[in-house]
Amino acid sequence: GAVVSQHPSWVICKSGTSVKIECRSLDFQATTMFWYRQFPKKSLMLMATSNEGSKATYEQGVEKDKFLINHASLTLSTLTVTSAHPEDSSFYICSGPGGMGTDTQYFGPGTRLTVL
Amino acid sequence: QKEVEQNSGPLSVPEGAIASLNCTYSDRGSQSFFWYRQYSGKSPELIMSIYSNGDKEDGRFTAQLNKASQYVSLLIRDSQPSDSATYLCAVHFYNFNKFYFGSGTKLNVKP
Repeated sequence: GAVVSQHPSWVICKSGTSVKIECRSLDFQATTMFWYRQFPKKSLMLMATSNEGSKATYEQGVEKDKFLINHASLTLSTLTVTSAHPEDSSFYICSGPGGMGTDTQYFGPGTRLTVL
Repeated sequence: QKEVEQNSGPLSVPEGAIASLNCTYSDRGSQSFFWYRQYSGKSPELIMSIYSNGDKEDGRFTAQLNKASQYVSLLIRDSQPSDSATYLCAVHFYNFNKFYFGSGTKLNVKP
């Protein structure tokens, strides 16, 4: 299947710092990618839809100024957690397309963020 | 009502048995449906997709879709201990171009 990569796989940072997470679609161009957050033993929560060349669409309750999304190319979307706090500690996962003409989504391996 | 609902389990089955996982969803227009498997600490991996009513088989897995009842299921035949994981049902709502996930069903396959 299609491959989506994420970097870094884990990160530990101090409260108040910013962290950037990269999501790359390796096999297919992606005009749209999705960002999710998952707390322990909970399901995936859609945070935002990343749109190539335009603004991201955020889900209700997700602070767009805190979770900055940039989709500057057809293969790369980035999520920046700004001024991170311990409550932002979570598993962040992106998804990208499985191919042309299909809506199948493949997930990146995820980034585990721990804010001290 | 949540867009996608699953029984959280855990569902325990003996090795070699059939595991049946169920999912219901809200009607929000046109949709497609997916099953993912997620091992603890890992990201979800695609098992299969289903787009039309009926059954779709892929190896030991069979997805079943009934749009009239707003119900999609996953059957796992000859369950193996390695199938022990959380199974996520996902629905792609075309009108919104969003994927919504159920809370997942934890499956335990006992040797």
